[in-house]
Amino acid sequence: GAGVSQSPRYKVAKRGQDVALRCDPISGHVSLFWYQQALGQGPEFLTYFQNEAQLDKSGLPSDRFFAERPEGSVSTLKIQRTQQEDSAVYLCASSFSYEQYFGPGTRLTVT
Amino acid sequence: GIQVEQSPPDLILQEGANSTLRCNFSDSVNNLQWFHQNPWGQLINLFYIPSGTKQNGRLSATTVATERYSLLYISSSQTTDSGVYFCAVRKGNTPLVFGKGTRLSVIA
Repeated sequence: GAGVSQSPRYKVAKRGQDVALRCDPISGHVSLFWYQQALGQGPEFLTYFQNEAQLDKSGLPSDRFFAERPEGSVSTLKIQRTQQEDSAVYLCASSFSYEQYFGPGTRLTVT
Repeated sequence: GIQVEQSPPDLILQEGANSTLRCNFSDSVNNLQWFHQNPWGQLINLFYIPSGTKQNGRLSATTVATERYSLLYISSSQTTDSGVYFCAVRKGNTPLVFGKGTRLSVIA
């Protein structure tokens, strides 16, 4: 079946612009996770949804980062007033129970 | 929070060689996954293995939960095995924590 999909795959933003990154989880997966992966590092947790409820947002690095999943399916990660340090790959994962499945990521470059 | 250490950080193999990658973690866990991140950045699930041993073709994994480590074995390596291998663990409902990975290069 279809895996986790993310769009866009690549995004170039000028410093100060707002961006929105989309994640389509595997159908039926109630849990959805966002991670940030810097170059040469492992992914780091940002936030977690169970259905439409955001249960953990402890990893969001600042109040410029905001995530939503209003209908318990598609999720959007929004970054306001982007900064150069926001440049990274943003990964989305979904799960039905314990095992998480990852999308291909969105590579964000802030110039 | 929980710490995850992977070794070696880098590994270069001749095609056909075998290798063992190690993951140590600092606390008891109820979720452990091994991933392969290919050169295009896609994280591919290899094993969900909080304990015990599993095999899938040329790959196998063993987790000894009581001693807080997991091993990933790659046999008869191929150039397509190149990439970064990540171990990730989770305790209870806490977030999945990744190690820094082992970068594997398989040379023909």
